[in-house]
Amino acid sequence: QQQVKQSPQSLIVQKGGISIINCAYENTAFDYFPWYQQFPGKGPALLIAIRPDVSEKKEGRFTISFNKSAKQFSLHIMDSQPGDSATYFCAARNGGSQGNLIFGKGTKLSVKP
Amino acid sequence: GAGVSQSPRYKVAKRGQDVALRCDPISGHVSLFWYQQALGQGPEFLTYFQNEAQLDKSGLPSDRFFAERPEGSVSTLKIQRTQQEDSAVYLCASSLGDRGMAGELFFGEGSRLTVL
Repeated sequence: QQQVKQSPQSLIVQKGGISIINCAYENTAFDYFPWYQQFPGKGPALLIAIRPDVSEKKEGRFTISFNKSAKQFSLHIMDSQPGDSATYFCAARNGGSQGNLIFGKGTKLSVKP
Repeated sequence: GAGVSQSPRYKVAKRGQDVALRCDPISGHVSLFWYQQALGQGPEFLTYFQNEAQLDKSGLPSDRFFAERPEGSVSTLKIQRTQQEDSAVYLCASSLGDRGMAGELFFGEGSRLTVL
């Protein structure tokens, strides 16, 4: 059972456009929702994260929107740049000391110049 | 070093061979995780250490997989009698606090294992 569902699988955006990646979850015990960025041959790196007590978090061009009632969250990349081309993973963590990060399957983003 | 270091970066093994993958976490980080990332997929949890204690090994796919962190720093993931389905990138991550804290995970670049 896939606990974090991510879409789309791939995304092509023109330079300057907005990239939007969506994730959904079922487990209401999840209490931490990070997004990781991964370049080929590299490990994932934390991009931005949110807790369920806020509906939006913005850091520079990156924004997480969180809808607790719908159990959905999304990443928006404003003014997308070719350097943003990478694979993006949403993740969720089960609250408490036994929680692990559970990752979505990833979205491969290509930003065309 | 400044980041999480993993070695070897690439390993080719014949089916049935044993392999050992090393992770050197960021100094002082309490938590250490191993993840398996198949091609085109997200990382999947294998096991978790808090200092030298292996607190969770629920993600290890079989008893051929074994991990240790004897002194609470460097960790080794060992795979015995490798099978083709073990081919993947094995990622190590560390964080400053224990798993219950929503701390950032710092990932290494991974060890890519190919089993022929």
